[in-house]
Amino acid sequence: EIVLTQSPATLSLSPGERATLSCRASQSVSSYLAWYQQKPGQAPRLLIYDASNRATGIPARFSGSGSGTDFTLTISSLETEDFAVYFCQQRRNFGQGTKLEIK
Amino acid sequence: QVQLQQWGAGLLKPSETLSLTCVVYGGSFSGYYWTWIRQPPEKGLEWIGEINHSGSTNYNSSLESRVSISGDTSKNQFSLRLTSVTAADTAVYYCARRTQLRNWFDPWGQGTLVTVSS
Repeated sequence: EIVLTQSPATLSLSPGERATLSCRASQSVSSYLAWYQQKPGQAPRLLIYDASNRATGIPARFSGSGSGTDFTLTISSLETEDFAVYFCQQRRNFGQGTKLEIK
Repeated sequence: QVQLQQWGAGLLKPSETLSLTCVVYGGSFSGYYWTWIRQPPEKGLEWIGEINHSGSTNYNSSLESRVSISGDTSKNQFSLRLTSVTAADTAVYYCARRTQLRNWFDPWGQGTLVTVSS
């Protein structure tokens, strides 16, 4: 089973700042990695698939990169609605999440 | 635009059977894997299992002895049954779609909180 480790657990930033979230896989997953955003009381929403492709309707400030074992989700300039929990996923495996909170 | 709407009992006693149904609106049942995922309170996501339009299923090995997923293509819906529930099964349960040969889930149902308590 592949283990996905996200870091940091919590990230405190201000609106307008750049956010960089990391997801590391215990073995290579090629580019088969997705990112989701989850707000309180809501289902996860797909942001990025296959490591770097934005899902339909996702703003351009969200970008994904990486391959193999190391992946990054970048939010170029934080909007207030971006403060949420972010999960990475590969097949049946999910990371434990990074909480992005307002500083 | 495809939407998933789910429903089912939200409060169970230990040893009872969890039963949830998810209906697919605005899209085909064929060509996809229909998935159940759960999230215990304040915790991460756990994949439970999936079914395709042909009825082929895959389950999380840790739940396999208690879980079954069935589908009804005539009604564009699929269902989850989890037997012998305990407090550890308390979670928000989500249905979701995975495209065949793809590795992501989109869209998701709205989620159903299932609480197991005596």
